[in-house]
Amino acid sequence: QSVLTQPPSASGTPGQRVTISCSGRSSIVGTNTVNWYQHLPGAAPKLLIYRNNQRPAGVPDRFSGSRSGSSASLAISGLQSEDEADYHCATWDDSLNGPVFGGGTKLTVL
Amino acid sequence: VQLVQSGAELRRPGESVRISCTASGYSLTAYWIAWVRQLPGKGLEWMGIIFPGDSDTRYSPSFKGQVTISADKSINTAYLQWSSLEASDTAMYYCATMTIFGVEEPFDSWGQGTLVTVSS
Repeated sequence: QSVLTQPPSASGTPGQRVTISCSGRSSIVGTNTVNWYQHLPGAAPKLLIYRNNQRPAGVPDRFSGSRSGSSASLAISGLQSEDEADYHCATWDDSLNGPVFGGGTKLTVL
Repeated sequence: VQLVQSGAELRRPGESVRISCTASGYSLTAYWIAWVRQLPGKGLEWMGIIFPGDSDTRYSPSFKGQVTISADKSINTAYLQWSSLEASDTAMYYCATMTIFGVEEPFDSWGQGTLVTVSS
């Protein structure tokens, strides 16, 4: 069982806005920043959002992140077919002294 | 930064294996290199990390004693090895870079993954 909880699946139609949640103990998500990774089928995972809401160079502004209390969210607006992928949240666990991940959310574009 | 991992491995229980992760476009000594496991149908798990510059290595408690992480900076390569595989080790394994190992830092770049299958 993952330290961070994500819904196993999410879906939307092209052009829609979808959000994916990531929740955990307040001592983890509420204290340390959250990163999001996009994992396209058959490809290497890719850093999508870091430090809650920062986008690496090259990531479209359709992708945004936020954190409130012990939960974080990834929002994708203007959904496109190529957004169909697994999305993983991650943060730092002080008790582990290392990073921890959510279980991943499979996004389907209908 | 590009990380290229070695190919898929098929082993029997009790056998050993070492998989690799080679960096191109930068010196391996500039980053920490982590290993991340993904069991079939499951999420990602951090296994451990090494700083090839001085071989400083840290393990997740779940994996300490189960695997060995090492690096050869002369050939820009990090390794993950098992001395005695179990069927439960069947998974996809990814390497990933981290600029600084610590709070707030993400995994910047990832390898394409190495599938390790353990079956009799």
